[in-house]
Amino acid sequence: EVQLLESGGGLVQPGGSLRLSCAASGFTFTTFAMNWVRQAPGKGLEWVSAISGSGGGTYYADSVKGRFTISRDTSKNTLYLQMNSLRAEDTAVYYCAKFPYDVLTIAGWFDPWGQGTLVTVSS
Amino acid sequence: DIQMTQSPSSLSASVGDRVTFTCRASQSITTYLNWYQQKPGKAPKLLIYAASSLQSGVPSRFSGSGSGTDFTLTISSLQPEDFATYYCQQSYSTTITFGQGTRLEIK
Repeated sequence: EVQLLESGGGLVQPGGSLRLSCAASGFTFTTFAMNWVRQAPGKGLEWVSAISGSGGGTYYADSVKGRFTISRDTSKNTLYLQMNSLRAEDTAVYYCAKFPYDVLTIAGWFDPWGQGTLVTVSS
Repeated sequence: DIQMTQSPSSLSASVGDRVTFTCRASQSITTYLNWYQQKPGKAPKLLIYAASSLQSGVPSRFSGSGSGTDFTLTISSLQPEDFATYYCQQSYSTTITFGQGTRLEIK
């Protein structure tokens, strides 16, 4: 069974940093692209970032480009999201989600999703 | 970026009703359109991928159709567990975007 388990969320001040982790199991981690999707309180879903199975390709939403960095550690089967220069508008539940292909250039979908981790940016 | 617009934003219906949700893309996305269901406090769940393919384990009362810019998700006979928010999502572009969601409420 494919499982994704996020961690690392919490309360951080504006301008601060946080690193989220997503531990993956039940599939060959290097074979599939992985994504981060967030949801602000009471709002809809927003795709944040993606990384190819090999780690050679990374993609970002304009709203986080230059502030967030996605990476993966194949030895630990773990996906990361390093978030710097955090703003109040980054407050959200952050989900990791698996893509059905190695690269994002082949249109796919998100399945499954982790349970999410809450990031709150506030002073 | 490709904009995804869902209508209506909310919908009231009764158990047993047939309901249809609409999703429109700002440009053609061929059939690169997926649908998700989300219940309060839970992660989204994939229902339909590639516009009309039913995800394994999803009840057959759910169906999807469309291509180009206009898509629909239909629930043929509403069940109590179907009351949730539904999102469409395009992956035609590597800048992936979601619709704003349609909230399905009990009448």
